[in-house]
Amino acid sequence: GQNIDQPTEMTATEGAIVQINCTYQTSGFNGLFWYQQHAGEAPTFLSYNVLDGLEEKGRFSSFLSRSKGYSYLLLKELQMKDSASYLCAVREGRAGNNRKLIWGLGTSLAVNP
Amino acid sequence: DTGVSQDPRHKITKRGQNVTFRCDPISEHNRLYWYRQTLGQGPEFLTYFQNEAQLEKSRLLSDRFSAERPKGSFSTLEIQRTEQGDSAMYLCASSQENQETQYFGPGTRLLVL
Repeated sequence: GQNIDQPTEMTATEGAIVQINCTYQTSGFNGLFWYQQHAGEAPTFLSYNVLDGLEEKGRFSSFLSRSKGYSYLLLKELQMKDSASYLCAVREGRAGNNRKLIWGLGTSLAVNP
Repeated sequence: DTGVSQDPRHKITKRGQNVTFRCDPISEHNRLYWYRQTLGQGPEFLTYFQNEAQLEKSRLLSDRFSAERPKGSFSTLEIQRTEQGDSAMYLCASSQENQETQYFGPGTRLLVL
């Protein structure tokens, strides 16, 4: 079956660092995405990992371990505007045209002053 | 350059009515996706086009739902005989061939009374 797990809610303080974990069990794996979604808005792309290791992009970094079925999103120097839902999604397509993403339920992050 | 656009942004309809939504992808993107999202959930895949061909359709999509992309550019999603359970945010995303990232439009929020 398909399963993507991430914590429902997290709270952090402005200026701090927070790590949001995602574990997945899918029939195939062809990449993992992190998206940010503010309330009432569409998801916006943050990062994409297909190989093991850490991808850094400014204040945001994403890590992948394919053998463990595990990823995390690291947010540094938190700002109030980072309060949002963070969605983990896996492309399980084995080949060719399967582009469907399987999504987690999202982690709602609240950044407090 | 504009991003993905969707029209209308909001739709209120009575149960049993038909509704149609439109999505205009980023101009050079040949892949187009429809998702549905309800409060507190991640996006749920509905269907996917490559150019004008509908390559995948979710089994969750009942026969009341149909999507088209007749010229490989904009797409429409029609829901016939709407039910209250159809109330959700309908998201459209597009991506470029040989690139994995999907870019989302602002969504159409549907409320069925």
